Amino acid sequence: EVQLVESGGGLVKPGGSLRLSCVASGLTISNDWMTWVRQAPGKGLEWVGRVKTKADGGTTDYAASVRGRFTMSWEDSKNTLYLQINNLKTEDAAVYYCHTSPDYWGQGTLVTVSS
Amino acid sequence: QSVLTQPPSASGTPGQRVTISCSGSSSNIGKNAVNWYQQFPGTAPKLVLYNNSERPSGVPDRFSGSKSGTSASLAISGLQSGDEADYHCATWDDSLNGLVFGGGTKLTVL
Repeated sequence: EVQLVESGGGLVKPGGSLRLSCVASGLTISNDWMTWVRQAPGKGLEWVGRVKTKADGGTTDYAASVRGRFTMSWEDSKNTLYLQINNLKTEDAAVYYCHTSPDYWGQGTLVTVSS
Repeated sequence: QSVLTQPPSASGTPGQRVTISCSGSSSNIGKNAVNWYQQFPGTAPKLVLYNNSERPSGVPDRFSGSKSGTSASLAISGLQSGDEADYHCATWDDSLNGLVFGGGTKLTVL
């Protein structure tokens, strides 16, 4: 059974940094295209970015709103996907989900940005 | 402001058929397949349609989808109280080089 479990969310001041983790079981993170999707309170879903498989070069694509501030990476030994978030803005406050096809989602981790 | 446009709300009575629209452009829906997600409050989304009209295993055939030009739609027939949820459309946008979502439609079963 595939499971994705996110962690690392919390309260951060504007301009701060955070690293979110997505631990996978039942699949190998670097063998699947992995995606981060976020949802601000009361709002719709927003794609954050994706990382392709190692075989596909492990390249990343990001939404324009986060490009240059967010970085996705894996750690094979822990079968974990990371989302490094720098220079946090108030509009980054959201529940962050990791996702992979066909339809595996984590439970989400909440990021709150406030001074 | 979402790239794909959905009505913020829709409603119907039990047994009715409701349709939710998703409007995009030539760089997204016009070129790529659309997925639809169902989301209950406080939970992660769940895929109910992929490739415009295909149902994942376990999704009842009351859920159907279509696409024409730069618009797509999700139809739910035989509406049930358990269908009350938010529905989101999504597709790849070739110009933005990213996945784009609609703003979501809150479906209420009266």
